[in-house]
Amino acid sequence: NAGVTQTPKFQVLKTGQSMTLQCAQDMNHNSMYWYRQDPGMGLRLIYYSASEGTTDKGEVPNGYNVSRLNKREFSLRLESAAPSQTSVYFCASRQISNQPQHFGDGTRLSIL
Amino acid sequence: KNQVEQSPQSLIILEGKNCTLQCNYTVSPFSNLRWYKQDTGRGPVSLTIMTFSENTKSNGRYTATLDADTKQSSLHITASQLSDSASYICVVSAEKYGNKLVFGAGTILRVKS
Repeated sequence: NAGVTQTPKFQVLKTGQSMTLQCAQDMNHNSMYWYRQDPGMGLRLIYYSASEGTTDKGEVPNGYNVSRLNKREFSLRLESAAPSQTSVYFCASRQISNQPQHFGDGTRLSIL
Repeated sequence: KNQVEQSPQSLIILEGKNCTLQCNYTVSPFSNLRWYKQDTGRGPVSLTIMTFSENTKSNGRYTATLDADTKQSSLHITASQLSDSASYICVVSAEKYGNKLVFGAGTILRVKS
């Protein structure tokens, strides 16, 4: 089982460039999430999608946009990358709220 | 101030020894508390979930405890193995009350031979 697949695994961007991070899950989960993980800090929620067709802001949404393309796929877009967005980005999914989230292995993004 | 504080920040132990990781939280009310294991370069993987009414939950050599009165949880690892080297993350859920998950910064555990 693939679980949650994120692409790419690594990316280096220049300030001002745009990029879309891809996430797909094969567990038929309703909810999907995007987090960023920075050194010394807990995972912070950027955006989430409680179900297909809906998206909502999380704790740190500024500078990002998302698209829930279908039940399987949830993408995160940086329109104009900034050095402060250098981070490791994780996508997660789950079926219902009292179940654990399943995480992908992350995208390591560096913005110069 | 983070609502979920973990200690220690990092820990080195010898293979075969036991260890206990701590999690103190201020999130209130909450519906459940989770521990995740994150190997280097991988995403977090769930170890245990406890509701506020549960005191302990085991998963193999991992045992989590919860004291909802003092708002403390611990993760005890028995007979550590090299493969236990990872970051352990405490997560408190208040989603039942309209809030999201609150993640601790994690404890980095290194098990050496």
